[in-house]
Amino acid sequence: DQQVKQNSPSLSVQEGRISILNCDYTNSMFDYFLWYKKYPAEGPTFLISISSIKDKNEDGRFTVFLNKSAKHLSLHIVPSQPGDSAVYFCAASAISSGSARQLTFGSGTQLTVLP
Amino acid sequence: KAGVTQTPRYLIKTRGQQVTLSCSPISGHRSVSWYQQTPGQGLQFLFEYFSETQRNKGNFPGRFSGRQFSNSRSEMNVSTLELGDSALYLCASSLARGRGDTQYFGPGTRLTVL
Repeated sequence: DQQVKQNSPSLSVQEGRISILNCDYTNSMFDYFLWYKKYPAEGPTFLISISSIKDKNEDGRFTVFLNKSAKHLSLHIVPSQPGDSAVYFCAASAISSGSARQLTFGSGTQLTVLP
Repeated sequence: KAGVTQTPRYLIKTRGQQVTLSCSPISGHRSVSWYQQTPGQGLQFLFEYFSETQRNKGNFPGRFSGRQFSNSRSEMNVSTLELGDSALYLCASSLARGRGDTQYFGPGTRLTVL
């Protein structure tokens, strides 16, 4: 059972336009959400996060929106740049046992920004 | 501040062998988590260590084990390697500060089992 889903395996966007990456989750116990960016043969790089008590968090060109009622979050990149081309993973965090927290990842979306 | 480091970066082993991977967390981080990334399964959680204790474990067979040392460095061991164990193994460290805890990943170890 996939608790975190990224239904679009790929997305192509023109340079300078907005990129919107989507993520859906099913577990209502998730209370912290993160986006990571990954290049081939490298580890994921943390981009931005949002707590479940907020509905928006912004950091430069990156904004994450959280809609708890729909169990949906999205990452907006404006303006998109060719260097943003990478795989983007959505991750969700919940307490799993005791005080331990566990990240559950989506399957990733390959973003390609065309010059 | 130095990031998470993993050694070795690449490994080639044959079926039946065992392998040990190493992870050094960001200074001050006490939690270390391990993940397996494969093309078909994405990023799958293996286990998490905090203060030398395994706090959390994913759904992997007992051939996968780990440990953490007093300086927070961690090792992961896979015994009796199978072809399906070929993957990118990622280590992540965090401050383990509760809800707002962010994990930072190392570059990974690419394991190929022949």
